[in-house]
Amino acid sequence: AQKVTQAQTEISVVEKEDVTLDCVYETRDTTYYLFWYKQPPSGELVFLIRRNSFDEQNEISGRYSWNFQKSTSSFNFTITASQVVDSAVYFCALSEGGNAGNMLTFGGGTRLMVKP
Amino acid sequence: KAGVTQTPRYLIKTRGQQVTLSCSPISGHRSVSWYQQTPGQGLQFLFEYFSETQRNKGNFPGRFSGRQFSNSRSEMNVSTLELGDSALYLCASSSSGILYEQYFGPGTRLTVT
Repeated sequence: AQKVTQAQTEISVVEKEDVTLDCVYETRDTTYYLFWYKQPPSGELVFLIRRNSFDEQNEISGRYSWNFQKSTSSFNFTITASQVVDSAVYFCALSEGGNAGNMLTFGGGTRLMVKP
Repeated sequence: KAGVTQTPRYLIKTRGQQVTLSCSPISGHRSVSWYQQTPGQGLQFLFEYFSETQRNKGNFPGRFSGRQFSNSRSEMNVSTLELGDSALYLCASSSSGILYEQYFGPGTRLTVT
């Protein structure tokens, strides 16, 4: 069965610091997708990125970057020069191929607090 | 394009009652998934509907059910409410394929007293 672990339950940083959110996953499938979502206080989950299991290329989008390493089953998320608006709960999620459809298995989330 | 909408946003029910939540997906999206979010269990998948058919189901008791209409709008129903059903219920829509990014609505916060 699939599983996603976000060992950091809460992280606090000061504005402009870089911060990395860890995500470790378990799956028996060779085809799967990994996601990151942001949940601000309003409650709505905001999609950040999707990565498939065959694409280990790292990705950068502005201040956000993702490091996918199949060898360690990790999909870590780094925010560079953090800002107060980055304060939210961040979720890593996994979806397996085959008959899983759009079913997402979420990690427990990491609450990021960015202080001015 | 309008986002995913969920109604009502807040709901208070009494134990033993039943409740129906509604979700309108993004226009053109045919897949609707439901998730339950609680402090103790986190985000858990309830079920997914695609073209009016249930495509996947999570590990929840039969008191939780859903359906999807021809216009892709979806409803979920919880019968015989229990205190533990208090949660934020999130709906997500996705385009016709699978493993596409899902767009979430603001959720319905259900409180069972």
